[in-house]
Amino acid sequence: GENVEQHPSTLSVQEGDSAVIKCTYSDSASNYFPWYKQELGKRPQLIIDIRSNVGEKKDQRIAVTLNKTAKHFSLHITETQPEDSAVYFCAASGQNFVFGPGTRLSVLP
Amino acid sequence: DGGITQSPKYLFRKEGQNVTLSCEQNLNHDAMYWYRQDPGQGLRLIYYSQIVNDFQKGDIAEGYSVSREKKESFPLTVTSAQKNPTAFYLCASSAGQGNTEAFFGQGTRLTVV
Repeated sequence: GENVEQHPSTLSVQEGDSAVIKCTYSDSASNYFPWYKQELGKRPQLIIDIRSNVGEKKDQRIAVTLNKTAKHFSLHITETQPEDSAVYFCAASGQNFVFGPGTRLSVLP
Repeated sequence: DGGITQSPKYLFRKEGQNVTLSCEQNLNHDAMYWYRQDPGQGLRLIYYSQIVNDFQKGDIAEGYSVSREKKESFPLTVTSAQKNPTAFYLCASSAGQGNTEAFFGQGTRLTVV
């Protein structure tokens, strides 16, 4: 089955700096790669996603890149703000969603 | 809020008792999922269902059971066979077979007392 790895597990950045989170997956059949943000005690919510026929997607301060050949994809957050502090999960999906272990992002004021 | 509702939000269970967590969606989604989240951990798949009257085991199905008698509902039963049931349980649904956005419920925090 699918296996998703995610790095780093924790990440601290200064407000205004960029943050990058990387994920790798194992199943070449996976074709949908969403990123979720989970604030403490709340449900995960989709922030951006990318499909296998696209290499990069951007939405304001957030971008995702996908390298299907290497089986890895990354989340980029620019101009980080304190409200970006949360746990971020990547996922790879074909028949069902397999999530990475998460990255706890702290944006320091 | 997202059209998927879990109840209750908090649940306490005595050791040896079965307990059922409710998950209902009004999004007309075919697929539904149950995940377990332990403190500081990721989301581990318990069971998923792609269509009514059919479901598949995920990575950690032992000690859990599900049913999918209606499209809108996917209840999870935590049985006494689950050795360490205290966790945060999240239900999700999606329109297709895992290639469209999954919407999550607000979660149920189960504590064994």
